Amino acid sequence: DAGITQSPRHKVTETGTPVTLRCHQTENHRYMYWYRQDPGHGLRLIHYSYGVKDTDKGEVSDGYSVSRSKTEDFLLTLESATSSQTSVYFCAISEPPGRLSYEQYFGPGTRLTVT
Amino acid sequence: QQQVKQSPQSLIVQKGGISIINCAYENTAFDYFPWYQQFPGKGPALLIAIRPDVSEKKEGRFTISFNKSAKQFSLHIMDSQPGDSATYFCAASTRGATNKLIFGTGTLLAVQP
Repeated sequence: DAGITQSPRHKVTETGTPVTLRCHQTENHRYMYWYRQDPGHGLRLIHYSYGVKDTDKGEVSDGYSVSRSKTEDFLLTLESATSSQTSVYFCAISEPPGRLSYEQYFGPGTRLTVT
Repeated sequence: QQQVKQSPQSLIVQKGGISIINCAYENTAFDYFPWYQQFPGKGPALLIAIRPDVSEKKEGRFTISFNKSAKQFSLHIMDSQPGDSATYFCAASTRGATNKLIFGTGTLLAVQP
């Protein structure tokens, strides 16, 4: 998984509780992304980061926030989890466009269940 | 609004046969079209990718065919094997400044022995 770890790998939480998912990379890639995967929807981008402290919204960002204080770590926070946020969450990394290789590499995923 | 439409949702192919998965896109600014393969419990892994300046790219048993005028691209898996059984996603992006990928909804491929 290209030097990408996600923690936790599985989590069950209750509606209304805050949840933080962590993505850690050892590749020193500048770009990092958070996606959610749901049946019938493929993968959808939640937020992404193009550098330390530089983040922006994706197509399904409502209810999520992110932070990136170090190159290697990208955190995804659900401030108040809802059942609609039950999903599998994937982190991805890439080099910036313009580099010879800018493919996105994905982590192993976090399965989150909100009851 | 789905910008990349993928079909079929599921596909059953006999061992040795050809698997074909199709995608269509709307945004003419897309300039990078990767295919990802995902096994159960794993993250997606890049399989093969193409840019719109070529009509075909082949890597081993995997081929992408690209039709810019029709805004369509497809993945062909020749001599399909049971080990190819997985979910396949097409995607598209405008490399621009952010390299954001827009994914299709996925195709579950089952190759029967």
